[in-house]
Amino acid sequence: DAGVTQSPTHLIKTRGQQVTLRCSPKSGHDTVSWYQQALGQGPQFIFQYYEEEERQRGNFPDRFSGHQFPNYSSELNVNALLLGDSALYLCASSFSGSNWNEQFFGPGTRLTVL
Amino acid sequence: KQEVTQIPAALSVPEGENLVLNCSFTDSAIYNLQWFRQDPGKGLTSLLLIQSSQREQTSGRLNASLDKSSGRSTLYIAASQPGDSATYLCAVPSGGSNYKLTFGKGTLLTVNP
Repeated sequence: DAGVTQSPTHLIKTRGQQVTLRCSPKSGHDTVSWYQQALGQGPQFIFQYYEEEERQRGNFPDRFSGHQFPNYSSELNVNALLLGDSALYLCASSFSGSNWNEQFFGPGTRLTVL
Repeated sequence: KQEVTQIPAALSVPEGENLVLNCSFTDSAIYNLQWFRQDPGKGLTSLLLIQSSQREQTSGRLNASLDKSSGRSTLYIAASQPGDSATYLCAVPSGGSNYKLTFGKGTLLTVNP
């Protein structure tokens, strides 16, 4: 049973560019959340997708947008990249019908903005 | 606004020691609490999840406790091994959502052989 997968593993971009990160949830999961983790910090919630809609959003600007597909996979898009967007981007999946609401994380995408 | 604090920020112990990592949260109206392990530059591995109705959860050499009323959780690691070296993070759902997790900054554990 494959866990949460993310691609690419690493990415280098320059300021002002746009980037798309991808996530496939764990089998049987229908909810995907995205987090940003700066060096030495805990992950910060960006947003969450359920039934192909953004259900909740953290304190991130509109440059951060996302999408969920019918197969529950998800994309995170960041426009007009800033140096401060350099971070590890983590995707987490969960099943909405679970009493435990346990979240499972992928290996992350390391984004470097030069 | 939920805030999560983890103490200590870093801990170095010799192999074989038992140790305790601490996590505190400001809003006790939580649904559950999850402990994660993170190796350098890697994703998060879920270790234990404690529901709000539980007081303890165990997995192998790990035992996590939860005291909602005082806003505290501890992660106990028995007979530590060098392979336990990693950053340990605790997280609680917040903002009225069962899925939006608020994390502490983590405790960096080093177990010396």
